Order: sequence, then structure tokens, then C-alpha cells
Amino acid sequence: AQSVAQPEDQVNVAEGNPLTVKCTYSVSGNPYLFWYVQYPNRGLQFLLKYITGDNLVKGSYGFEAEFNKSQTSFHLKKPSALVSDSALYFCASSRGTGFQKLVFGTGTRLLVSP
Amino acid sequence: DAGVIQSPRHEVTEMGQEVTLRCKPISGHDYLFWYRQTMMRGLELLIYFNNNVPIDDSGMPEDRFSAKMPNASFSTLKIQPSEPRDSAVYFCASSWILTDMNTEAFFGQGTRLTVV
Repeated sequence: AQSVAQPEDQVNVAEGNPLTVKCTYSVSGNPYLFWYVQYPNRGLQFLLKYITGDNLVKGSYGFEAEFNKSQTSFHLKKPSALVSDSALYFCASSRGTGFQKLVFGTGTRLLVSP
Repeated sequence: DAGVIQSPRHEVTEMGQEVTLRCKPISGHDYLFWYRQTMMRGLELLIYFNNNVPIDDSGMPEDRFSAKMPNASFSTLKIQPSEPRDSAVYFCASSWILTDMNTEAFFGQGTRLTVV
């Protein structure tokens, strides 16, 4: 079975500091990996994806993620956190053929303090 | 486009009652997805449609759950009868045909269902 794991329920970081939200995957074959963000009372918004190519993927709002095949990880990073980045972040992978069936991690709440 | 529109935003109902959740996808999108979000199980895909046809309903938890898409601009998720364990946030999402270049699904704001 294909799955993603987010080992941290919550990450706390001070504004201006770098942030990392962790994700590991267990996917047979070439993984398709995604990050989504959920702000309070909102639906999920797409941040970035890894399908193939460069291991460092750049996405919306200054976020980036690094695909590491040897560590089966796809950590989300940002060089300088903003208070407005505080939200719930989901890592996801697609399973089976195509991209339609996304399997989500349990989510990590990011709190950025002023 | 106003995005994916779900109604109602909040629903409180008594156990045993029928509940209908509604979704209007983004115009032109080929795919529609229904997800359920709970603290215990996270985000789960319940069912998805392609061009109004249900493709995979393996995530639908029980026969009490049913989903329809009578046309390209409307879908419903129905629970009958509802139970307290159905309490969750239900999300609808839509997308164009998904390829390696186009992989983004657009989510609605969700319906928070509480069954008492």
C-alpha cells in the first residue's frame, strides 16, 4: 500500500527563521508527491509537486521541497517564515495509475510566532 | 470563476436523519472528488467522477453513503441514515484531466457536518 507519513503534529518556528515540515513516503514505483496547505475554514490549496526531474521543487508563496529518494523523504522548506504561513500542511502522494487518487498524510500544523 | 462551491457550510442534524451535501465544481473541469476529513483518519478520498460518471467509489465507507453527479455543474453526497461517527468536514474538489503537467485539484471550503 502506498502511503505518506508526517511525523510531526505541530512545528513551531519564529518569524524570519527557516522552517521545515517533514514528510516521508512509501510508494511503489516512481512517486508522485504533493504539498497542500489548509488555512482555517478553507479548503486545501496546492503548493507544489514532484513528478520527475530536479529534486528541488519550487512552489507557491516561497515554499520549496526536496525530493530525496535514498531517504524516501519530501520535506517542505522555506528560508524565512512569515506569521501568515501559519496553517495546516498536508503531504500527499498519488497511487495507482494517474494522479486522481491522492493519499494524504495526517497533516502538520505550522505555527509561526512574531 | 468563483471556485468550487459547497453548501451548506455547516450542518447539524440528528442521528437517523438524511443529510445531503452539495457541490458545484469549477466550470470546465472533468473530474470531481469527494473527501472526508476527521481527526482520527485525516483526509480520505470517498469517491471521484470523470465526466459525471463515478469512477472509483472504493472509499465510500458504507451503503449509507451515496454520491451522484447528474450534470457537469452539480454533485451531491448523501448520507442516509446519518450517525454520529459521520461527523466530519466533507470537501469537494475538481480538476481538469490530470497529467504530469496538470496535477492540481481545486478544493471547496468544505461542509462541517455534526450528527448529534
